[in-house]
Amino acid sequence: NAGVTQTPKFRVLKTGQSMTLLCAQDMNHEYMYWYRQDPGMGLRLIHYSVGEGTTAKGEVPDGYNVSRLKKQNFLLGLESAAPSQTSVYFCASSYSTGGGNQPQHFGDGTRLSIL
Amino acid sequence: GIQVEQSPPDLILQEGANSTLRCNFSDSVNNLQWFHQNPWGQLINLFYIPSGTKQNGRLSATTVATERYSLLYISSSQTTDSGVYFCAGRPPGNNRKLIWGLGTSLAVNP
Repeated sequence: NAGVTQTPKFRVLKTGQSMTLLCAQDMNHEYMYWYRQDPGMGLRLIHYSVGEGTTAKGEVPDGYNVSRLKKQNFLLGLESAAPSQTSVYFCASSYSTGGGNQPQHFGDGTRLSIL
Repeated sequence: GIQVEQSPPDLILQEGANSTLRCNFSDSVNNLQWFHQNPWGQLINLFYIPSGTKQNGRLSATTVATERYSLLYISSSQTTDSGVYFCAGRPPGNNRKLIWGLGTSLAVNP
């Protein structure tokens, strides 16, 4: 099993450009999450999804949109990239049993730089 | 909101040494996990340990949920243990997010 796969691994954008980050998991997890990690800070939740066709806002949702059209995929979109969105983005997934009390499994991250 | 404090913030060890990393929560959490972020940035699940003690090779973890802390033990450290160690927990209630500590940065020298 590949687990959680993120594409691309690296990307450089110019301010104002748009792009989509893809997260795919092959563990049949119901829950999926997008985080960003910035220097000196822990991970912060951007958006999450508790099932196909559903999404919800996390701590820092502004400037991002997400979609969960298929259970195994969770897309993170930047409509108009800003330098403040330079970060490392992590996707995670988990089972839903136990009211969400299941460990989250992470992808390898996407390093995004906005110039 | 719940605060997570990790200590020490930085740690330098000689290869072969033992260490204990600590994670304190200001309030009760569920889903407590320990992660290792290696120098390449990958986040590796170490333990899912809402309570009790678990061991995996040279690593072990103990969570005392009633006292809101968790410990990660690293024995006979190796240079490959270098990186940042994070703990994270989920606040009770219908909340999907994990609350993260700022990490302990570990350097193991040969």
